[in-house]
Amino acid sequence: GESVGLHLPTLSVQEGDNSIINCAYSNSASDYFIWYKQESGKGPQFIIDIRSNMDKRQGQRVTVLLNKTVKHLSLQIAATQPGDSAVYFCAENPGNQFYFGTGTSLTVIP
Amino acid sequence: EPEVTQTPSHQVTQMGQEVILRCVPISNHLYFYWYRQILGQKVEFLVSFYNNEISEKSEIFDDQFSVERPDGSNFTLKIRSTKLEDSAMYFCASSEHGQRSSYEQYFGPGTRLTVT
Repeated sequence: GESVGLHLPTLSVQEGDNSIINCAYSNSASDYFIWYKQESGKGPQFIIDIRSNMDKRQGQRVTVLLNKTVKHLSLQIAATQPGDSAVYFCAENPGNQFYFGTGTSLTVIP
Repeated sequence: EPEVTQTPSHQVTQMGQEVILRCVPISNHLYFYWYRQILGQKVEFLVSFYNNEISEKSEIFDDQFSVERPDGSNFTLKIRSTKLEDSAMYFCASSEHGQRSSYEQYFGPGTRLTVT
């Protein structure tokens, strides 16, 4: 199977600070990536996606950066809020199937 | 806001029994998926379904698994003879578009399957 991993299993940030969550992927053929948020007891929620022909994509308060050279993906959350507390994981798609990372647990400290 | 629904929320079954997990995807979506997440582990792709047939399946999706869209609204996952290692949270997802377009998948809340 594919290997999609996260550098940090847990991350704590102060409310209002920016958060950066990292992800390493293994398949250089992957050309599409998604960041998901999963709150306790709920299914994954799509946050933002990016294709391999881009280096950066911005959404509302979130930015995804893709570095294909080192096969690294990051999610930046601006002005982190308590409602952002959740597990975040990336998924890569080298073809027709998604491979998910284990996740980083983000805790926002009020 | 439309959402994917799943029933039951929790299913307990004995090893060797058949289970059917049910999902109602978002009504205008054309692509349907099943994933599973063993407790504390990552989400794993099982199968994708489009135009009334399986479009992709993983190594996990063996002959014990099957999917069906019996009518215009339901999408089911059947496990014929459950094993202890089938215990997991099973998520259904749907998307309006599939490959080479937006993969924005909407996930249901999941069914927790416990095999005893």
